[in-house]
Amino acid sequence: QSALTQPASVSGSPGQSITISCTGISSDVGGYNYVSWYQHHPGKAPKLVIYEVSNRPSGVSYRFSGSKSGNTASLTISGLQAEDEADYHCSSHTSSNTLVFGGGTKVTVL
Amino acid sequence: EVQLLESGGGLVQPGGSLRLSCAASGFTFSIYAMSWVRQAPGKGLEWVSAISDSDDTTYYADSVKGRFTISRDNSKNTLYLQVNSLRAEDTAVYYCAKDVDGYYPHYFDYWGQGTLVTVSS
Repeated sequence: QSALTQPASVSGSPGQSITISCTGISSDVGGYNYVSWYQHHPGKAPKLVIYEVSNRPSGVSYRFSGSKSGNTASLTISGLQAEDEADYHCSSHTSSNTLVFGGGTKVTVL
Repeated sequence: EVQLLESGGGLVQPGGSLRLSCAASGFTFSIYAMSWVRQAPGKGLEWVSAISDSDDTTYYADSVKGRFTISRDNSKNTLYLQVNSLRAEDTAVYYCAKDVDGYYPHYFDYWGQGTLVTVSS
């Protein structure tokens, strides 16, 4: 199972919006609505920010939103804030009943 | 409050073994699938293995199949990962993660802080 494809890094200024893509294939991202996104600050436990493509867990800022088109899912962070600087990882359920992650994207707030 | 506390990591020589543990509290452990996810230095997250709520079904990434064994003791609220025939590329922080479902891996609403496994001679 190959890893999902994410850009290595994305940056933006405070207040701007950024979008991170996550590309898979029809047997993972394209075939299921079990795409999730995690925020990971180094040294801490990863935190779920989006589940089932576009749902936000309780307590996660409305500034985080998710979508999917075909084999590509996306995470958008609007109104970028300094605290959003972290690594972001997408994942998807697969047709083998396993899970696959992307390579991770480092978000830098300029 | 949900807590997942991993232990058992350490320095081990190539070919060696370790047993990782994850003590869970704050939720009904026996009704949720659990997974191990790792992150090698400078790399992204990699899903390693999952186990269903009742321990009757296990799932593995191809990279660890035949070398790693996941198990759980619902009476002790503890998840395990037996890691054998370790290689340098298994060096990583290993996280325990709680799934939102009971059967196969979907996504994780809680994670532990991780335990570091270093494979080196």
